[in-house]
Amino acid sequence: NAGVTQTPKFQVLKTGQSMTLQCAQDMNHEYMSWYRQDPGMGLRLIHYSVGAGITDQGEVPNGYNVSRSTTEDFPLRLLSAAPSQTSVYFCASSPPGTAITEAFFGQGTRLTVV
Amino acid sequence: KQEVTQIPAALSVPEGENLVLNCSFTDSAIYNLQWFRQDPGKGLTSLLLIQSSQREQTSGRLNASLDKSSGRSTLYIAASQPGDSATYLCRGSWGKLQFGAGTQVVVTP
Repeated sequence: NAGVTQTPKFQVLKTGQSMTLQCAQDMNHEYMSWYRQDPGMGLRLIHYSVGAGITDQGEVPNGYNVSRSTTEDFPLRLLSAAPSQTSVYFCASSPPGTAITEAFFGQGTRLTVV
Repeated sequence: KQEVTQIPAALSVPEGENLVLNCSFTDSAIYNLQWFRQDPGKGLTSLLLIQSSQREQTSGRLNASLDKSSGRSTLYIAASQPGDSATYLCRGSWGKLQFGAGTQVVVTP
């Protein structure tokens, strides 16, 4: 059971480049979400999805897009990378039916924008 | 707006001492509170989840309490070990999830 898998683990981008962070889970969880973690600020919600075909914005959505074509995958797209997007990104999923139960996290993607 | 605060941001204790980690929140209408451990360069590992109807949860050396009226949760780690060194985060759920910034713990041998 792989749980929540994020790729890549590390990435360096130049300002203005675009890229997609991948997230996949094999637990049939309906709820998936993306967070960014910055020093002293905890984890902040970027986007989330309550099921295939449904996405919504979190606390800090600007500069990011998401889609949810399958239950398993929830990719995060950076449209035009900026140095302010340098952060560690975490994907999480929760069991079916609700977002208020236990959350499972991926190992994170450390992104540097130069 | 629901806010979650963890103070102190860092602490160091000698091995064997009990650890007490604090988490405070501004909205008492909380659904549940979850404690996580994060090792450097790693993701979050769930430690304990306390539902709003519960006062505490225990797992081995870990005990977490929840007091909605005072807006506090406390994570106790008994007889700390160097392997307990990590950052501990709490996460409140009001439907929306809100994380604290974490407390970085160092247990010295």
